[in-house]
Amino acid sequence: NAGVTQTPKFRVLKTGQSMTLLCAQDMNHEYMYWYRQDPGMGLRLIHYSVGEGTTAKGEVPDGYNVSRLKKQNFLLGLESAAPSQTSVYFCASSYPRVPSGSTDTQYFGPGTRLTVL
Amino acid sequence: AQRVTQPEKLLSVFKGAPVELKCNYSYSGSPELFWYVQYSRQRLQLLLRHISRESIKGFTADLNKGETSFHLKKPFAQEEDSAMYYCALLTDSWGKLQFGAGTQVVVTP
Repeated sequence: NAGVTQTPKFRVLKTGQSMTLLCAQDMNHEYMYWYRQDPGMGLRLIHYSVGEGTTAKGEVPDGYNVSRLKKQNFLLGLESAAPSQTSVYFCASSYPRVPSGSTDTQYFGPGTRLTVL
Repeated sequence: AQRVTQPEKLLSVFKGAPVELKCNYSYSGSPELFWYVQYSRQRLQLLLRHISRESIKGFTADLNKGETSFHLKKPFAQEEDSAMYYCALLTDSWGKLQFGAGTQVVVTP
């Protein structure tokens, strides 16, 4: 199993350009998440999805859109990139919480380093 | 409001010395807390979670509801423990995590 994969690994954009980051998981996880990681701020949730065809906003959704057309894929889009979106982007996936109350582990991808000039 | 605070940005310790990473949280419900670790050039991975009460790689963490803390401890640090450590709080049933800012641990020989 590849686990969680992300493409591309690196990207440099000019202000105003658009791009899509792809996250794929082969663990049949229902839940998927997009985070951004910035120095001194930890990881902040951008958007998440609790199943195919569903998405919801996280803590910092502005400037991003997402889609989950297939269960295994979660796409993050930047329609008009800004320098403030320079960051490392992580995708994660997990199983739903079970009725017994046990917690679920999030499995992370390797990250995409994005620079917006 | 939900919040996770890791007061130390950088922790430098000598090999063989004890190490403690502080984590404090603010949460109105019954908290579920995790420690995630990111080694150099590797992806973020779960180190341990309080509900399991386990010891992983010699690390332990005890949830103290009175002090709203979940500090990570290891009695004898090793060079391979050098990494970025994140404390995280589960905030709802959809698995959403609130992360702290992270603590960079550097273990020197």
